Amino acid sequence: EVQLLESGGGLVQPGGSLRLSCAVSGFTFSSSPMSWVRQAPGRGLEWVSTINSGGAGTFYPDSVKGRFSISRDNSRNTLYLQMNSLRAEDTAVYYCAKWASPGYYDYWGQGTLVAVSS
Amino acid sequence: EIVLTQSPGTLSLSPGERATLSCRASQSVSSGYLAWYQQKFGQAPRLLIYGASSRATGIPDRFSGSGSETDFTLTISRLEPEDFAVYYCQQYGSSPRTFGQGTKVEI
Repeated sequence: EVQLLESGGGLVQPGGSLRLSCAVSGFTFSSSPMSWVRQAPGRGLEWVSTINSGGAGTFYPDSVKGRFSISRDNSRNTLYLQMNSLRAEDTAVYYCAKWASPGYYDYWGQGTLVAVSS
Repeated sequence: EIVLTQSPGTLSLSPGERATLSCRASQSVSSGYLAWYQQKFGQAPRLLIYGASSRATGIPDRFSGSGSETDFTLTISRLEPEDFAVYYCQQYGSSPRTFGQGTKVEI
């Protein structure tokens, strides 16, 4: 059974940092590109970042480029998202998702809530 | 960036009825690279359809997708109680990958 379990969310002040983790099981993590997708309260879905299977290729939309960094540890079957210089508009539930070629998401975690507020 | 516009915003139907959801793209989605997801309240999205018309693993055949280029449709042939949820389309033909704003199917 495929499982993705996010952790690390919480309340952080504007300008602060947070690191999210996603522990994966049930598929060959080291062969799978992975992504983070977020959902602001009451809003739709927004792609946040993608990393290739080896970890060398990373991709971001302009809204988070330069502030967020995606990484992975294939020995631990874990995906990460380092979020710096957080803004109120980054408040959302963050989902990790398994990327399926050529670019949809076939499995999702349950999400972790990040709230940016003073 | 491709903007996806879903309509209607809310669809009010009864169990057993047919639901037709629309997703219109601001420019052509290459190779029919469009997916549909279902999201129930407080849950993660679940993949229903990819490649515009291919059902994901375990998805009942009452769900079907169609369309090409800029106009796509998700049809639920006979609504079951568990189908009342929000549905999102997503294009993956160009970067950045983008989602529609969602259609809520309610009783």
